Amino acid sequence: DAGVIQSPRHEVTEMGQEVTLRCKPISGHNSLFWYRQTMMRGLELLIYFNNNVPIDDSGMPEDRFSAKMPNASFSTLKIQPSEPRDSAVYFCASSPGTSGIYTDTQYFGPGTRLTVL
Amino acid sequence: TQLLEQSPQFLSIQEGENLTVYCNSSSVFSSLQWYRQEPGEGPVLLVTVVTGGEVKKLKRLTFQFGDARKDSSLHITAAQPGDTGLYLCARMGNYGQNFVFGPGTRLSVLP
Repeated sequence: DAGVIQSPRHEVTEMGQEVTLRCKPISGHNSLFWYRQTMMRGLELLIYFNNNVPIDDSGMPEDRFSAKMPNASFSTLKIQPSEPRDSAVYFCASSPGTSGIYTDTQYFGPGTRLTVL
Repeated sequence: TQLLEQSPQFLSIQEGENLTVYCNSSSVFSSLQWYRQEPGEGPVLLVTVVTGGEVKKLKRLTFQFGDARKDSSLHITAAQPGDTGLYLCARMGNYGQNFVFGPGTRLSVLP
C-alpha cells in the first residue's frame, strides 16, 4: 500500500517567491496534519484537518502560510511570499481516526525539504 | 501550552550498550506515543501507552509509562547501529486528535 505521498521532495526558491507543497494522504484516513521541522524548534504542528475541514490552525506562523484540503485525497500548504526563515523540512501526516482519539496512529510522509535563499 | 521535555538531547554509545531516554511533562498525559525518525525520513510510530504504569516491549525496546502519567521512558538493550535516529515522544493535544511532540533525543550507535 502506498504511504503518505509528498511532493516535491526538495524545493529551492528565492525569497519572495510563492511555494506550494503537496500531500496525498493514505486512502481512507480522515485526518491530515502539516508539520514543520527545524533543528531549533523541532517538530511543530502547523495545521490539521478532519474530514477535509481545518480544525486547528493555531500553529500556522503568519498570514503568509495557508493550507487547503479540497478533497479527501489531496492537500496543499502554500507560502507566499517565502522568506529565508521558512527554510525547514515540511511533513504531512495522516491518521485513520478509527482507533479512538487516544491511540490513533499518525503516518508521516517523507517530507519536503524547503530552502529559501 | 503543555510542553514535553526529553533527555538527554544527544546520546552517542557503542554497539552492545544499553541506554534509557526520558520524556517528561508537568501535566498528565491521556496517552503518549514514541516515534523514531531516521535521517531523511518522517517519524515512524513505535508504541502508544495509555495506562499509568504500563510497560510495553518491542524486541529490544522497552517502553514504560509513569504511574502518574506525567513521564515515560524508553530503554534499549544491546543497542545496534540500526537503532540510530531521533527518538520523539508525543502527547495528545488539546483537540483530541493532534499530537504535541517533544524536542527529541538524537541517538547515535557506533559499530
